[in-house]
Amino acid sequence: GQNIDQPTEMTATEGAIVQINCTYQTSGFNGLFWYQQHAGEAPTFLSYNVLDGLEEKGRFSSFLSRSKGYSYLLLKELQMKDSASYLCAVRDLQNQGGKLIFGQGTELSVKP
Amino acid sequence: NAGVMQNPRHLVRRRGQEARLRCSPMKGHSHVYWYRQLPEEGLKFMVYLQKENIIDESGMPKERFSAEFPKEGPSILRIQQVVRGDSAAYFCASSPTTGGSSGNTIYFGEGSWLTVV
Repeated sequence: GQNIDQPTEMTATEGAIVQINCTYQTSGFNGLFWYQQHAGEAPTFLSYNVLDGLEEKGRFSSFLSRSKGYSYLLLKELQMKDSASYLCAVRDLQNQGGKLIFGQGTELSVKP
Repeated sequence: NAGVMQNPRHLVRRRGQEARLRCSPMKGHSHVYWYRQLPEEGLKFMVYLQKENIIDESGMPKERFSAEFPKEGPSILRIQQVVRGDSAAYFCASSPTTGGSSGNTIYFGEGSWLTVV
């Protein structure tokens, strides 16, 4: 089976840096995804990691350690519009193509 | 380059009616996934389809729910005899056929919000 854990909620200050952690246990692994979801809207793709290491994309970076079953999403220079839910998802290799299994999401509140 | 298209965006049904949700994947994508999101909860996998084929329906309730992805036309998620507990956002996602870095990107549609009254 699959188990994905991330904190339920976090609070950070505008202009600061925040790290959202995600740990996973899965029988098949074909990559880890991070999505951003504002209330009432669709998830928006942020990043994808399949190899160990850091992937940087502007203010957002994502890290993966497959041996530890661990990833984090790093958000720099926080803006008010970054207040949203951040979803960690693991792709399941057991089926061709592979479905995404999501964690519960981390609700990030950015304060002025 | 249109993204994943879902309709209707909002749907109200009375208990016992049928709901049909449609999803057209991105151009060039032949893998479709349906997810359900209850208020204040995460995305729950329902079903994964390719053209004319259900690959994984392990997340689908055994009764009242069905999905298809015909050779021509959109994928359809059908909910028969809806109950209040079916009220949720239903998201469709798609990915390309081939592997590689682009094949591992899954994009979501805007969602269909079902309200059962």
